[in-house]
Amino acid sequence: GAGVSQSPRYKVTKRGQDVALRCDPISGHVSLYWYRQALGQGPEFLTYFNYEAQQDKSGLPNDRFSAERPEGSISTLTIQRTEQRDSAMYRCASSLRVSYNEQFFGPGTRLTVL
Amino acid sequence: GQQVMQIPQYQHVQEGEDFTTYCNSSTTLSNIQWYKQRPGGHPVFLIQLVKSGEVKKQKRLTFQFGEAKKNSSLHITATQTTDVGTYFCAGETSYDKVIFGPGTSLSVIP
Repeated sequence: GAGVSQSPRYKVTKRGQDVALRCDPISGHVSLYWYRQALGQGPEFLTYFNYEAQQDKSGLPNDRFSAERPEGSISTLTIQRTEQRDSAMYRCASSLRVSYNEQFFGPGTRLTVL
Repeated sequence: GQQVMQIPQYQHVQEGEDFTTYCNSSTTLSNIQWYKQRPGGHPVFLIQLVKSGEVKKQKRLTFQFGEAKKNSSLHITATQTTDVGTYFCAGETSYDKVIFGPGTSLSVIP
């Protein structure tokens, strides 16, 4: 079966532009997580959803970052007015049930801000 | 804020030697998970520990959760080249938030 997919896999953008990163979780998975991972570091929590409800957005670095999951399936992480420090691997993960914590990670989107 | 630390940061072992990575949380965790990430890949779930003092084994891998639910360890017996990668612990707080440690990168010399 299909795993978690993310698109685009690579995104190069100029400073000041907005970007939208998409995550397609495994079908039927209730929880969806967004992480940012710097090279040589562990995934850094950004936000997560149970169904369509955003449960915790305390990890979002500032108000340029937002996420939505309007129908409880696909999620979009949007970064407005990108800055060079936003360059990183953005990873999405999903899990089958609320508080069932085996997370399945997608391949990530490598964002480069020039 | 809540922190999850891991030691060592890097470990180089000869094939056949044992390997252990340690994970410590600044706060009590509801559970802890372990993930493995191969170079260029994404984190892959290995196991979840929930109970205080829990020990679980997967072939050559042994996972422990401390009595106070603030620390954990992963031990690999007789490492193989297929064990190469970065091992992350991830602690779940009481609010379903998962905090990853910085990882231990394992290199195995054949």
